[in-house]
Amino acid sequence: EAGVAQSPRYKIIEKRQSVAFWCNPISGHATLYWYQQILGQGPKLLIQFQNNGVVDDSQLPKDRFSAERLKGVDSTLKIQPAKLEDSAVYLCASSARQENGYTFGSGTRLTVV
Amino acid sequence: GENVEQHPSTLSVQEGDSAVIKCTYSDSASNYFPWYKQELGKRPQLIIDIRSNVGEKKDQRIAVTLNKTAKHFSLHITETQPEDSAVYFCAASTLGGNNDMRFGAGTRLTVKP
Repeated sequence: EAGVAQSPRYKIIEKRQSVAFWCNPISGHATLYWYQQILGQGPKLLIQFQNNGVVDDSQLPKDRFSAERLKGVDSTLKIQPAKLEDSAVYLCASSARQENGYTFGSGTRLTVV
Repeated sequence: GENVEQHPSTLSVQEGDSAVIKCTYSDSASNYFPWYKQELGKRPQLIIDIRSNVGEKKDQRIAVTLNKTAKHFSLHITETQPEDSAVYFCAASTLGGNNDMRFGAGTRLTVKP
């Protein structure tokens, strides 16, 4: 079984620039999550999709962050414009609804300078 | 929403000793409690999980206990080895519900040889 694919692995941008991350979940997993993990902290849920619908985006800073999951498969997370405090690892995860746990991707390490 | 607290934030033990990490949760509807191990620069990996209809689960040197009444659960690692050194995260979610998962802040475990 292929894992959760994410790209890019690393990204360095200047503040006020835009950036986008891509995630391809495990085939057949209806639920997809984006987490932000700041160094030294636990992952923080940004947004959860069930197929192509948003289930929870209560912790997504909507003034600068946006996410979509067209066709209920791949997803992109965008930051526009980026701030220094957005420096973090952005983890994508997927799960089948009734399955145990998540499978995480390798993450995208974003550095905003 | 769910709030998960984890203690201690750092833990140092001698090789061969036991390590215990404790978490509390706030949402009584939570019914699934996984533990993840994250090595430096890598994705979180599921190491053990427990559902709310079980009080204890063991897998070789790792065990998890759950007290639903008190809303706390713990990870126990016996006969620790240097390769157990990592950051451990507890999490709580509601399987069959919205399935979003909230993580604790993490415990950095160091096993000294």
